[in-house]
Amino acid sequence: QVQLVQSGAEVKKPGASVKLSCKTSGYTFTSYYVDWVRQAPGQGPEWMGLINPRGGNPSYAPKFKGRVTMTWDTSTATVYMELNSLTSEDTAVYYCARDRGNSDRFDYWGQGTLVTVSS
Amino acid sequence: IDLTQSPDTLSLSPGERATLSCRASRSVTSIYVAWYQQKSGQAPRLLIYGASSRATGIPDRFSGSGSGTDFTLTISRLEPEDSAVYYCQQYGSSITFGQGTRLEIK
Repeated sequence: QVQLVQSGAEVKKPGASVKLSCKTSGYTFTSYYVDWVRQAPGQGPEWMGLINPRGGNPSYAPKFKGRVTMTWDTSTATVYMELNSLTSEDTAVYYCARDRGNSDRFDYWGQGTLVTVSS
Repeated sequence: IDLTQSPDTLSLSPGERATLSCRASRSVTSIYVAWYQQKSGQAPRLLIYGASSRATGIPDRFSGSGSGTDFTLTISRLEPEDSAVYYCQQYGSSITFGQGTRLEIK
């Protein structure tokens, strides 16, 4: 069965960076884009960007350009998301999700990783 | 494209029908509208895509409709397990989500 399993919760200080992982299984990794979506407490989801495991440059939402880097490792079917210069506004649950196309609907989601930014 | 959902909260009894609205700030091609259900502490679950197509395993009590700037999720014959927050998403111009409608089953 399709699974996306994310790394554990993180606590970071303002100004720090965080790198999250998302290990996929149960499908052909290179056949689907993988996106990152975050959700601040009590808010709706917010799209951050996506990677195409077949290659090419990731696509980032304008709000995060210059501060986010998404990478992947085909050998382990794992996707990574690094976010720099953290502030308290980055406190959120971060999800990876399988994309049915290229910026399309999300049919499978990871369990989420809580990132808390606090001094 | 901004998405505004209404109402913010809906409280209904089992067996009733729920009608959730999603309005876009400009026209969205209907094939690029989806709805998700999110229960407390869980990831969102895809319910509807292409405005009206049910995702795999979603019961026919859930239906979607709409075009242009106005889209609707209808849940008929409400069950206690339908208590959740529901989000609309558009993926026709980048990707955005609405702020959600909380559905409470009395």
